[in-house]
Amino acid sequence: SQKIEQNSEALNIQEGKTATLTCNYTNYSPAYLQWYRQDPGRGPVFLLLIRENEKEKRKERLKVTFDTTLKQSLFHITASQPADSATYLCALDLWANFVFGPGTRLSVLP
Amino acid sequence: GAVVSQHPSWVICKSGTSVKIECRSLDFQATTMFWYRQFPKQSLMLMATSNEGSKATYEQGVEKDKFLINHASLTLSTLTVTSAHPEDSSFYICSARDEYHSGANVLTFGAGSRLTVL
Repeated sequence: SQKIEQNSEALNIQEGKTATLTCNYTNYSPAYLQWYRQDPGRGPVFLLLIRENEKEKRKERLKVTFDTTLKQSLFHITASQPADSATYLCALDLWANFVFGPGTRLSVLP
Repeated sequence: GAVVSQHPSWVICKSGTSVKIECRSLDFQATTMFWYRQFPKQSLMLMATSNEGSKATYEQGVEKDKFLINHASLTLSTLTVTSAHPEDSSFYICSARDEYHSGANVLTFGAGSRLTVL
């Protein structure tokens, strides 16, 4: 079965810096890989998705890359702000269902 | 955009009672909804896939008789935790796919329901 690892349980960075979160998976590459943000006590919110034939996707300060050879996705937040502090989940879209990673708790320090 | 409403947002109940959690897609029809359970500082654990008009598909290890799922309409799925016990205390989250408008296989989540069983 698919397993997903996210680089670290928690990541602290200084405001203004770029946060880079890593998602690694095993087995076969999904058609889509997605990133979600979850705030404490709330449901996840969709941020970005990237297709298997795309190398990079951008949305405002967010950038996602997808390397099917390495079986890895990187999620970048540039010019990070304290409001970006949250848990970020990567998810493999397996058509019939989704498999979520354990998440990385990002703290942006002022 | 797609909105999923989940109620109640929190509930406290006595051991042995049953609790029903509702999940509604407000502005779209969802033939499929997903129910997740989340423990503190852990990721989402898929419990079951709810299919409109048919039986839910449960993940391995999830008790069907304990967690009753009903998807009676295209906009409503319910999860009933029967004879709840303290070990059932958790954060339950539903999600749905807006298959017709999103243009992609994106999940919209409810806000979650915090269940505490005394």
